[in-house]
Amino acid sequence: QVQLVESGGGVVQPGGSLRLSCAASGFTFSNYGMHWVRQAPDKGLEWVTFIPYDESNKYYADSVKGRFTISRDNSKNTLFLQMNSLRAEDTAVYYCAKDSGKTQYYFEYWGQGTLVTVSS
Amino acid sequence: DIQMTQSPSSLSASVGDRVTITCRASQSISSYLNWYQQKPGKAPNLLIYTASSLQSGVPSRFSGSGSGTDFTLTISSLQPEDFATYYCQQSYSTPFTFGPGTKVDIK
Repeated sequence: QVQLVESGGGVVQPGGSLRLSCAASGFTFSNYGMHWVRQAPDKGLEWVTFIPYDESNKYYADSVKGRFTISRDNSKNTLFLQMNSLRAEDTAVYYCAKDSGKTQYYFEYWGQGTLVTVSS
Repeated sequence: DIQMTQSPSSLSASVGDRVTITCRASQSISSYLNWYQQKPGKAPNLLIYTASSLQSGVPSRFSGSGSGTDFTLTISSLQPEDFATYYCQQSYSTPFTFGPGTKVDIK
């Protein structure tokens, strides 16, 4: 069965950096695009970024463009999110999600999430 | 960016009720509309994709319809495990935006 396990969350000061990881199993990771989606405390869902299976074209929400970088290591079945210049408004649970793989860009499976808190 | 709205923002219903949630896009998105269920403290779960396709393993009491700008999620007979928040999401173009959610609770 598909399993996605995020890690790397924690407390960081404004302006700091953090790198999230998402370990994937139960499917051929190298064949599928992947997303990061976040949810601020008691708020709705916000799509953050997408990476295709071959890293050809990455997409970012305007709110994180230039600060966050998505990447992947297909040899290790792992997705990453490098977050720099963090702001208080980046505080959220970050979910990795498997794309449908049919260029229809829906989130077929989700991890359990990892909490990022940006605070001094 | 495509804006997504949902109505109602919350509703109270009883077990066995028929429940309908509406989602509207700010421009036509064809059938690129998906629905998710989220329970407190848990990750969202895909229910419906491309407006009307039922995700594998999702009970058949859930159904979706619509195209263009107006979409609905229907729960034909509400069950105790269906009390949750429901989100629509457009996958027509980036950024892939979500609706604000509809919270379904017990009357």
